[in-house]
Amino acid sequence: EVQLVESGGGLVQPGRSLRLSCAASGFTFGDYATHWVRQAPGKGLEWVSGISWNSGSTAYADSVKGRFTISRDNAKNTLYLQMNSLRTEDTALYYCAKDRGGFSGSLVYWGQGTLVTVSS
Amino acid sequence: DFQMTQSPSSLSASVGDRVTITCRASQSISTYLNWYQQKPGKAPKLLIFAASSLQSGVPSRFSGSGSGTDFTLTISSLQPEDFATYYCQRSYSSPYTFGQGTKLEIK
Repeated sequence: EVQLVESGGGLVQPGRSLRLSCAASGFTFGDYATHWVRQAPGKGLEWVSGISWNSGSTAYADSVKGRFTISRDNAKNTLYLQMNSLRTEDTALYYCAKDRGGFSGSLVYWGQGTLVTVSS
Repeated sequence: DFQMTQSPSSLSASVGDRVTITCRASQSISTYLNWYQQKPGKAPKLLIFAASSLQSGVPSRFSGSGSGTDFTLTISSLQPEDFATYYCQRSYSSPYTFGQGTKLEIK
């Protein structure tokens, strides 16, 4: 069974940093691109960032470019999102998701999310 | 900026109704379009990829069509479990932008 379990969320002050992790199991993690998607409270989905299977390609939404960094450790079956210079508008539930294949952005499995709250 | 625009933003319908949701891209995206369903408190679920391909395990009452800039998601006969929020999303070219969502409610 495919499982994606996010962690690392919490309450953080504006301007500070936070690192999210996503532990994957039930599939060959190193074979698939993976992504972060967020959802602000009561709002819609926003794709944040994606990384190819071998870390050779990364992509970011304009809203986080230059502040967030996606990375992965295939030996540990883990995806990361380093979030710097956090803003109140980054407050959201952050999901990690497995790509259907290639670097398509078609998200076939999702975790349950970790909540990030940016507030003073 | 690239945008995906869904209509309507909300929709009321009854069990057994046929429902259509529309998604428009701000520039042509061929058939690189996905549809997701999200229920309250749950992660989204992929329903349709490549505009019209049904994801494994998704009931056949769901169908998708379109190409270029205009796409539709159709539910042929609404079931009680279909009341949820639906999102379209561009695929195969980042940013993988989502539409703003369509909330489907019980009439």
